Amino acid sequence: QVTLKESGPVLVRPTETLTLSCTVSGFSLNSARMGVTWIRQPPGKALEWLAHIFSNDESSPSTSLKSRITISKDTSNSQVVLTMTNMDPVDTATYYCARITRLYGGAVYYSDYWGLGTLVTVSS
Amino acid sequence: DIQMTQSPSTLSASVGDTVTITCRASQSISTFLNWYQQRPGKAPNLLIYAASFLQSGVPSRFSGSGSGTDFSLTIHSLQPEDFATYYCQQTYSTLWTFGQGTKVEIK
Repeated sequence: QVTLKESGPVLVRPTETLTLSCTVSGFSLNSARMGVTWIRQPPGKALEWLAHIFSNDESSPSTSLKSRITISKDTSNSQVVLTMTNMDPVDTATYYCARITRLYGGAVYYSDYWGLGTLVTVSS
Repeated sequence: DIQMTQSPSTLSASVGDTVTITCRASQSISTFLNWYQQRPGKAPNLLIYAASFLQSGVPSRFSGSGSGTDFSLTIHSLQPEDFATYYCQQTYSTLWTFGQGTKVEIK
């Protein structure tokens, strides 16, 4: 059974760094067909893709947040970690991690399993 | 970055209706387009991948089509559980993007 679970602080002060962990089970972060992505959703707004990472550590962050985001994985602990620096109230959102499945040698990607999400509030 | 534009933003329909949501990419993305459904307070759920492939377990009343820049998601015979928000997502470039969402509400 594939599961993903986000964990981290519920409240962050402005200018602080956010660190979120995604603990996965039911699949391996070493699998060439799998990856993990982070997506966020401000209250009442649309989904926003943040970053993704694959088994070979190939990763990509969002252009608009590239200077603030780092994504990494700890295969031994089955975790993918997202850090976001210089947090601002506009970063208040539910943060989701999701499994990526890729097919056909990496030509097709989709997120087929999602965590429940974790609401992070940025406030002083 | 590739911009994804969905229309309409909101759609009012009745149980049993057939509805279509469109998604337009700012450049050609071949068929690297996914559709997700999100119910209130829940995580998104994959419906369609690669523009037209139905994810396992998703009812056959959902279908997707399109290629290049224009795509559509059609829901045949709307059921009560289909009233939700739908998002398209492109995975053509290494920088993925979502559309702004289409809310399907009860008329």
